Amino acid sequence: QVQLVESGGGVVQPGGSLRLSCVASGFTFSTYGMHWVRQAQGKGLEWVAFIRDDGSNKYYADSVKGRFTISRDNSKNTLYLQMNSLRVEDTAVYYCARDLWWWGQGTLVTVSS
Amino acid sequence: QSVLTQPPSASGTPGQRVAISCSGSSSNIGSNNVYWYQQLPGTAPKLLIYRNNQRPSGVPDQFSGSKSGTSASLAISGLRSEDEADYYCAAWDDSLSAWVFGGGTKLTVL
Repeated sequence: QVQLVESGGGVVQPGGSLRLSCVASGFTFSTYGMHWVRQAQGKGLEWVAFIRDDGSNKYYADSVKGRFTISRDNSKNTLYLQMNSLRVEDTAVYYCARDLWWWGQGTLVTVSS
Repeated sequence: QSVLTQPPSASGTPGQRVAISCSGSSSNIGSNNVYWYQQLPGTAPKLLIYRNNQRPSGVPDQFSGSKSGTSASLAISGLRSEDEADYYCAAWDDSLSAWVFGGGTKLTVL
């Protein structure tokens, strides 16, 4: 059974940093590309970033490019999202997703002073 | 403003068939596969359709997808109250080198 569990969300001030984690189980993590997708309260889905199975290629939405970094540790079955220079508009539930098929339950990030 | 365009709302009565459209361009829907998701209130999105018209195991055949040119459509037949949810389309965009989502369609079962 595929399981994705996000953690690391919380409240942070504008300009601050946060690192999200997503622990995967139930499949061979090292053979799948992984995504981060976010959703602001009452809004639609917004794709954030993608990393290939071996970490060789990474892609980002323009809205987070240069501020967020996606990475993974295949030995720990864990996906990460390092978020720097956070803005109020980054406030959202952040989901990790395996090749956009399987999704975790999300972790809430609130950027507020 | 989403790259993929969906109607903000749709509705139907129980048993009816409804279709939700998703309009894009040659760089996304026109050249790549379309995915559809269902999001029930307070839950994570669930994949309904992949590669334009394929259903994952466990998704009932009341859901079907199609694609023509730069547009795609999700059809839901035999509408039930539990189908009331938000529906999203998605595709890879070659020009943006990014995945793009539609703005979502809220389906109401009257």
